[in-house]
Formats: sequence, structure tokens, C-alpha cells
Amino acid sequence: EVQLVESGGGLVQPGGSLRLSCAASGFAFNGYSIHWVRQAPGKGLEWVSYINPGGRDISYADSVKGRFTVSRDNAKNSLSLQMNSLRDDDTAVYYCVRDQWWTFDYWGQGTLVTVSS
Amino acid sequence: QSALTQPRSVSGSPGQSVAISCTGTSGDVGGYNHVSWFQHHPGKAPKLMIYEVSQWPSGVPDRFSGSKSGNTASLTISGLQAEDEADYYCLSYAGSYTWVFGGGTKLTVL
Repeated sequence: EVQLVESGGGLVQPGGSLRLSCAASGFAFNGYSIHWVRQAPGKGLEWVSYINPGGRDISYADSVKGRFTVSRDNAKNSLSLQMNSLRDDDTAVYYCVRDQWWTFDYWGQGTLVTVSS
Repeated sequence: QSALTQPRSVSGSPGQSVAISCTGTSGDVGGYNHVSWFQHHPGKAPKLMIYEVSQWPSGVPDRFSGSKSGNTASLTISGLQAEDEADYYCLSYAGSYTWVFGGGTKLTVL
């Protein structure tokens, strides 16, 4: 069974940092691209970042570019999202999502990040 | 990276059909067949319903169908059921390994 489990969410002050993790199981992690997607309270889904299987092709939404860094450890079947210079509008549930067929076929349950003083 | 345009809400009675549109540009919806639709019940993970404009993942009933014309994609749900009530989002590849979602549509089954 494909599973993606996010962790690391919590409360952080504006300007602070947080590191999210995603643990994958049930599939050949090193063969799949992975995305981060977020949903702010009362808002829609927003694509955040992409990383290809080898970790060399990486992209970000304009809203997080220069502040967020995605990385992966294929030996540990894990993905990370380092979030710096956090702002109020980064408050959201963050999902780790598997890519297949140029779409998002399996989603984690999400981890909540709250940016507030 | 502007969000794709979806109606904020649609509604229909059980057994009826409804269509949800998703309008983008030639740089996303119009330029690629990598358009997907997701069903999202609050508090749960989104579920893939349609990919590559009109393809069904395993387990999704064929009451859900997708199409595209120019810069606009559409999701049609036929034979509406109470459990179809949810938020629906379109997603399109936008080139250079970037993706963009629609703003979301709330479907109400009357």
C-alpha cells in the first residue's frame, strides 16, 4: 500500500524556520517525482514545489521561491521541505504528493503549519 | 502562475448531471494535455478523479468524465449522488516543471 506520511508541522513566528518531512513506503520511492502542495485555511489548493527522482530537477511556486528548499534522500525513502523566512500567508496544511502520469496520484494526510506571533 | 478559473459553486439534484469548467491559458490548459481533476472532502486528502484530460484512475466510476477545448477543460459528473458533494479542483501542467491549480468549485447535491 502506497503511503506518504508528513511530519514537522507546528506553530512558528513570522520570520522563523521550519522543516517538514515526508516518509514514503509501499512503492519504489527512487523512481517517482514528488511534490509539495498546500492549502491555507478557507482557501484552495496551491502547488508549492517539485523534485524529480534523482533530485536534480527542482522547481518552486513563485510565492515560495528563494525561501523554501526541497530535498530528498532516496536511501531513506524520505523528502524534506526547509521553509525559511516564514510569513503569515504560509499558514496552511502541507501535503506530500506522488507524481505519476504528470499528475498527483497519491497524497499524504498533511501536516499543519501555523505562522503567527 | 495565476490560478486557473473555476466557478465558485455548482449544484444539482440526485440523478442529474453537472459540469465544472476550468479556464486557463495557452501556457497551461491550452498547451498541454496534462489536466487533472481532484475531489476533496474537507479534512481528507484530495482524490484523483481524472488525469490526462479524460483518463480514469483505477476505482473511479465512469460517471466522472473529462474533456478539453482550447484553454478550457471541463469535468462532467452524471447521475449525481449525495456522496459526490465535495470541493473539486482542476490542475494543469504549466511548463518548466511547474503546475497550477484552479481556485476550486464547491458542488452541492440538492
